[in-house]
Amino acid sequence: DVKVTQSSRYLVKRTGEKVFLECVQDMDHENMFWYRQDPGLGLRLIYFSYDVKMKEKGDIPEGYSVSREKKERFSLILESASTNQTSMYLCASSSDRLDSPLHFGNGTRLTVT
Amino acid sequence: SQQGEEDPQALSIQEGENATMNCSYKTSINNLQWYRQNSGRGLVHLILIRSNEREKHSGRLRVTLDTSKKSSSLLITASRAADTASYFCATDGVNFNKFYFGSGTKLNVKP
Repeated sequence: DVKVTQSSRYLVKRTGEKVFLECVQDMDHENMFWYRQDPGLGLRLIYFSYDVKMKEKGDIPEGYSVSREKKERFSLILESASTNQTSMYLCASSSDRLDSPLHFGNGTRLTVT
Repeated sequence: SQQGEEDPQALSIQEGENATMNCSYKTSINNLQWYRQNSGRGLVHLILIRSNEREKHSGRLRVTLDTSKKSSSLLITASRAADTASYFCATDGVNFNKFYFGSGTKLNVKP
């Protein structure tokens, strides 16, 4: 079974802090994704990566950056956290096959105060 | 945005009844997927239907796809209290590796 592990379930940070959210998958998947989920807005794609060191912006990349130095790990970075980045962050992975589903981690609930 | 939109936003039914959720999307797709999310957790993949398929079954789940109307429906038959969750559709669009989600249908199944 695919396992996608997010390093923290809950995180509280202060405005202006640099925040790292880590995600690791154990199925050698090519693709990895970061979404944020907010009530009434569903899941919105922040960034995704289709290979090591490769990344593409999603719908809401502003205020975020990502890093993928190894195939199994995809990090989301908030350069200077702001209160409007308080949200649930979900990491997912998928293989390159056309019908490959997304496999999600359990999410990190980030609160920025 | 080619984001899917689920309808209704919330649905409350009695155990044993059927639950139907709908999804509409905006652009051409390769496939459409349905996911389930229990409160505060990650999403779990339920079923995938390809653009050249019209109907698909998996256990108590039945999914239909109408590409001419750009819509899909998820039917859960003989619902159980354990089916209480939020359900999301996801579409892939031009880049088949990139998925777009709607805001979900929150299903409450009362025992």
